[in-house]
Amino acid sequence: AQKVTQAQTEISVVEKEDVTLDCVYETRDTTYYLFWYKQPPSGELVFLIRRNSFDEQNEISGRYSWNFQKSTSSFNFTITASQVVDSAVYFCALRESNDYKLSFGAGTTVTVRA
Amino acid sequence: EADIYQTPRYLVIGTGKKITLECSQTMGHDKMYWYQQDPGMELHLIHYSYGVNSTEKGDLSSESTVSRIRTEHFPLTLESARPSHTSQYLCASSDPGTRAPISYNEQFFGPGTRLTVL
Repeated sequence: AQKVTQAQTEISVVEKEDVTLDCVYETRDTTYYLFWYKQPPSGELVFLIRRNSFDEQNEISGRYSWNFQKSTSSFNFTITASQVVDSAVYFCALRESNDYKLSFGAGTTVTVRA
Repeated sequence: EADIYQTPRYLVIGTGKKITLECSQTMGHDKMYWYQQDPGMELHLIHYSYGVNSTEKGDLSSESTVSRIRTEHFPLTLESARPSHTSQYLCASSDPGTRAPISYNEQFFGPGTRLTVL
């Protein structure tokens, strides 16, 4: 069985603050893939990043950064110097190697106030 | 990046009507998916297809049906809409790509259809 837990339901910050979204996953597979998606108020899901289980290197893309730690089964996402346009629901997802389906977490709603 | 389209974007319809939600992608992806999502809630997979003439039910039971006669087209049909079907329906497609041996198969999503059944 696979499971993704996003324990934070909602996070509210003031513009320019940093915000970290937690994602903890469970899988018995040794090969798996992790993803983050953003869902703005318009409703579509926007792909942000992917990681495979053999690549623990952290990644930075502009104001976004990701921290993948296999030892704690976590794939956390940080937005640095948040902006109002970052307000959205963020989903973490897991795919095991023998399955094309994704398991999504419940999502974290981020509200950035001006 | 995949180009995936859904129509209509918004639909308000009365109970008992038959509806079809359209989903098309232009990238030749063999795998396609339908998710149901209530506002502010998590996504639930209701149908998926791994290719033409292949359809499977997802993790969440749904009264809807799907078909996959062409690679690019994956429509979802409700024979008799009810208020309990009110939700957002998201279509997605994926392809392993050419980055062997790593095959992320990330899913790309359409804009969604917001369905309201009165």
